[in-house]
Amino acid sequence: ELKVEQNPLFLSMQEGKNYTIYCNYSTTSDRLYWYRQDPGKSLESLFVLLSNGAVKQEGRLMASLDTKARLSTLHITAAVHDLSATYFCAGPGGSQGNLIFGKGTKLSVKP
Amino acid sequence: NAGVTQTPKFRILKIGQSMTLQCTQDMNHNYMYWYRQDPGMGLKLIYYSVGAGITDKGEVPNGYNVSRSTTEDFPLRLELAAPSQTSVYFCASRGSGRRTEAFFGQGTRLTVV
Repeated sequence: ELKVEQNPLFLSMQEGKNYTIYCNYSTTSDRLYWYRQDPGKSLESLFVLLSNGAVKQEGRLMASLDTKARLSTLHITAAVHDLSATYFCAGPGGSQGNLIFGKGTKLSVKP
Repeated sequence: NAGVTQTPKFRILKIGQSMTLQCTQDMNHNYMYWYRQDPGMGLKLIYYSVGAGITDKGEVPNGYNVSRSTTEDFPLRLELAAPSQTSVYFCASRGSGRRTEAFFGQGTRLTVV
């Protein structure tokens, strides 16, 4: 079964800096999902990456997928406090269509 | 735009009590899921359903039960609550097609004391 590993698990950034969150997965997959979770809240879909080389951008966040390397990245550009949250990557779990989640990266952006 | 609705938002149970977590979606999605989220552990699948009348176990089903009598509703039943079931529970749904994303409810924070 697919295993998903994120790193780092905790990330403290200064506003204005750039950083990348990495998501490695164990078996071949043609799609990868990124979600954001604010404290005490639900999971909000950020990106759906559907093919090798896929790149999607929304504001200061950019996600990419390399299926050959089994790697997805979430790049943060010029971080702002509003980006503080926990970010999860997830891959497909099987024919039942569920998602296998990484443990999440808790991002804290400080002034 | 209700999406996926869960009730209750919070609940405290005593050991041995039972309860049902409600989940309903208005997007006509066939696939529905129950996950539990424990601190630092991501989300783990409890049960899932691929359509009305069809349910199956996920990774951590012990102590739980589900039913799916309609497309909209997917309740999760806890029998004989135990402290290990203290967690945040999320219901999710998605449409057909391999590449559609899942939509999550607001979560139920359950404490068993």
